[in-house]
Amino acid sequence: GENVEQHPSTLSVQEGDSAVIKCTYSDSASNYFPWYKQELGKRPQLIIDIRSNVGEKKDQRIAVTLNKTAKHFSLHITETQPEDSAVYFCAASAPDTGRRALTFGSGTRLQVQP
Amino acid sequence: EAGVAQSPRYKIIEKRQSVAFWCNPISGHATLYWYQQILGQGPKLLIQFQNNGVVDDSQLPKDRFSAERLKGVDSTLKIQPAKLEDSAVYLCATGSRRGTDTQYFGPGTRLTVL
Repeated sequence: GENVEQHPSTLSVQEGDSAVIKCTYSDSASNYFPWYKQELGKRPQLIIDIRSNVGEKKDQRIAVTLNKTAKHFSLHITETQPEDSAVYFCAASAPDTGRRALTFGSGTRLQVQP
Repeated sequence: EAGVAQSPRYKIIEKRQSVAFWCNPISGHATLYWYQQILGQGPKLLIQFQNNGVVDDSQLPKDRFSAERLKGVDSTLKIQPAKLEDSAVYLCATGSRRGTDTQYFGPGTRLTVL
């Protein structure tokens, strides 16, 4: 089955700096890669996603890049703000082959210091 | 539109007792997932339904866990008997609107087994 590895497990940055979280996946059939933000005690919220026919996607301060050959994808947050502090999860699935369930990484706790 | 609803939000039981969780999906969402999220980890799939049929229950501990989705709408997840290691947040997610792979999560049920 699919295996998703996520690094780092914790990340502390100063407000205004950039943050990068990296994930690798094992199943070459995976072609959908969402990122979720989870605040303490809350539900995971989708913040951005990318499909494998696209190499990069951006939404304001958030961007995701995908290297399908190397099987890795990354989340980039620029101009970080204290409200970006949360746990971020990457995930992968292969909806085109029928595997719609998400396999999640282990999470990155991002702390933005004011 | 209303989001995914779950109840109860919290449950504390003794080991060997039974417990049931309920999920009401977003209207029209044919696919429903139950994920288990142990503290400090990413969500892990337990079972996936498409309408009222099971698509994937390969990671469901069937000796103690059961789930059903009658009429292809609401779903219940049951644990009988519970073990200490079942302490986790149980997340329901729905998705598979035509043209998108996005999954929307409910607020979860936090289960503590004493």
